[in-house]
Amino acid sequence: GIQVEQSPPDLILQEGANSTLRCNFSDSVNNLQWFHQNPWGQLINLFYIPSGTKQNGRLSATTVATERYSLLYISSSQTTDSGVYFCAVNRDDKIIFGKGTRLHILP
Amino acid sequence: DSGVTQTPKHLITATGQRVTLRCSPRSGDLSVYWYQQSLDQGLQFLIHYYNGEERAKGNILERFSAQQFPDLHSELNLSSLELGDSALYFCASSPGTVTGNQPQHFGDGTRLSIL
Repeated sequence: GIQVEQSPPDLILQEGANSTLRCNFSDSVNNLQWFHQNPWGQLINLFYIPSGTKQNGRLSATTVATERYSLLYISSSQTTDSGVYFCAVNRDDKIIFGKGTRLHILP
Repeated sequence: DSGVTQTPKHLITATGQRVTLRCSPRSGDLSVYWYQQSLDQGLQFLIHYYNGEERAKGNILERFSAQQFPDLHSELNLSSLELGDSALYFCASSPGTVTGNQPQHFGDGTRLSIL
């Protein structure tokens, strides 16, 4: 089946820093989503981005479907950005998650 | 608030028992998805329902079953529970296409602990 790999697995940054999270997938997909799981366990949809670039405040995402990767950019990090970031792809009606990137933002 | 409601929030039970988890999707959403999140397996897709019909199955065990009712709420039934079934179970909904190609919004999850 399709493989979804996220990197880096862990990231520790100082407040105010910028970061780039990567999601690689092994085959063509119908769509791709980025989620944030906050320290309380809630999953929040950040982007639905099968291709192209989208921006929402300090966050933006780019998916290059032909090269099978997606990037999530976080600028001017805040402590509330801490948590785990997951990408998930949809292929043949099945959704596959990556293992996530755990982000720690230090005050 | 995502608009997706899951009950109960916490559930503690014993091995061999059966439990039912409930999910009410956002108003107007036709698609409901169930996921399991455990420490060793990560986030896994279990099953997708669209307007009352099963659309796709993921890594759902035979001891687990689900259904979506005419009012669009969904229930996930877990039977013959084992210690390894301890996990956080999420429900998500989307406005709904048959292929599920739309953003999903998650409930807060049901934390199931098997003693």
